[in-house]
Amino acid sequence: GAVVSQHPSWVICKSGTSVKIECRSLDFQATTMFWYRQFPKQSLMLMATSNEGSKATYEQGVEKDKFLINHASLTLSTLTVTSAHPEDSSFYICSAHLNREETQYFGPGTRLLVL
Amino acid sequence: AQTVTQSQPEMSVQEAETVTLSCTYDTSESNYYLFWYKQPPSRQMILVIRQEAYKQQNATENRFSVNFQKAAKSFSLKISDSQLGDTAMYFCAFVALSGYALNFGKGTSLLVTP
Repeated sequence: GAVVSQHPSWVICKSGTSVKIECRSLDFQATTMFWYRQFPKQSLMLMATSNEGSKATYEQGVEKDKFLINHASLTLSTLTVTSAHPEDSSFYICSAHLNREETQYFGPGTRLLVL
Repeated sequence: AQTVTQSQPEMSVQEAETVTLSCTYDTSESNYYLFWYKQPPSRQMILVIRQEAYKQQNATENRFSVNFQKAAKSFSLKISDSQLGDTAMYFCAFVALSGYALNFGKGTSLLVTP
């Protein structure tokens, strides 16, 4: 299967700071990547769709100025949580779409804790 | 809107036994893709199996197989010879058009016991 990495896997930050999470497709190019948020014992909640070279499409209720997404290349998408608050603490997961398999592969996730 | 329903929040099976996880979905599309992903305690989402709606043959991957009933909009996952490492949350997912976001069910927590 295809491999997607995420960095960092764990991050603890102070309230008011910004945190950047990277999502990379290691062995394939992905024109489309997705960002999800997952609360404990719940399913994945789509935050936004990231397309290479264009603006991300955000789901209803997701603040685009707070969760900045940049898909600068065919192998990298970044999610920046700006002015983080404790309620932003969560598990963030990215996925990358592999066209030839018509399948999404997921990164290992990033645990964010905002103090 | 497409919805995915997993009616079994929790299931348990003994090692070496067979277990079936249920999934139903609702769509008006004629072609689409269905997936089962597992999420073990590490929380890494792992693709288990994939089915394209226009293919009538049920997908299989080693010990994992699906029963795809298009008319009934049902997509169940059968795990044969269950192993302790199969303990995980299993999510059924649907997408109408390739490259679009997945619609996930709420998941089924599977516990494999010795």
